[in-house]
Amino acid sequence: SQQGEEDPQALSIQEGENATMNCSYKTSINNLQWYRQNSGRGLVHLILIRSNEREKHSGRLRVTLDTSKKSSSLLITASRAADTASYFCATEATGANSKLTFGKGITLSVRP
Amino acid sequence: SAVISQKPSRDICQRGTSLTIQCQVDSQVTMMFWYRQQPGQSLTLIATANQGSEATYESGFVIDKFPISRPNLTFSTLTVSNMSPEDSSIYLCSADKGGQEKLFFGSGTQLSVL
Repeated sequence: SQQGEEDPQALSIQEGENATMNCSYKTSINNLQWYRQNSGRGLVHLILIRSNEREKHSGRLRVTLDTSKKSSSLLITASRAADTASYFCATEATGANSKLTFGKGITLSVRP
Repeated sequence: SAVISQKPSRDICQRGTSLTIQCQVDSQVTMMFWYRQQPGQSLTLIATANQGSEATYESGFVIDKFPISRPNLTFSTLTVSNMSPEDSSIYLCSADKGGQEKLFFGSGTQLSVL
């Protein structure tokens, strides 16, 4: 069954604006990860946050994790047209040994 | 990091035939996984490719339909057997380098079955 559920399903913003994407999950996890997929391509890892962490930054990315609510958010600041892609959250359940369960994904469109 | 070459990138196949997808990693990796992604949907794990032993399949996927090989630490194949239009999908291989906790992905194989 699907572990992560992202919202919104689709997001359209203007270049320069911030994009916030949310993910909820159901079971206990070792970590939560965000991936990007450009149309017709494989997935690229963006950022990982462990279950004992609450916030992490990487460049224009900021991810938060609330294990009590089983939710995470990904913030992309100062978005660019090149950020247009699908974004997936993925969870490694406790004891899953690298096996990830992916959410349905969010389609982000950044208008120039 | 790891660079994964996956081929073919796309194929159109006839019902009842089989297609083998190859995945080559530029360095040794511990775990390799095969995912299926139906159009506009999320990724569903098919199986974990184990080096030197039989693959571990997820619920709903069986070896007769999706035989997998992993002869060494850098290479794996997935065969989609006796294809039907329902098998039309993107198939993705991925790898974990051990200790990095993230997956590297191939660029995917877009399969259409007529």
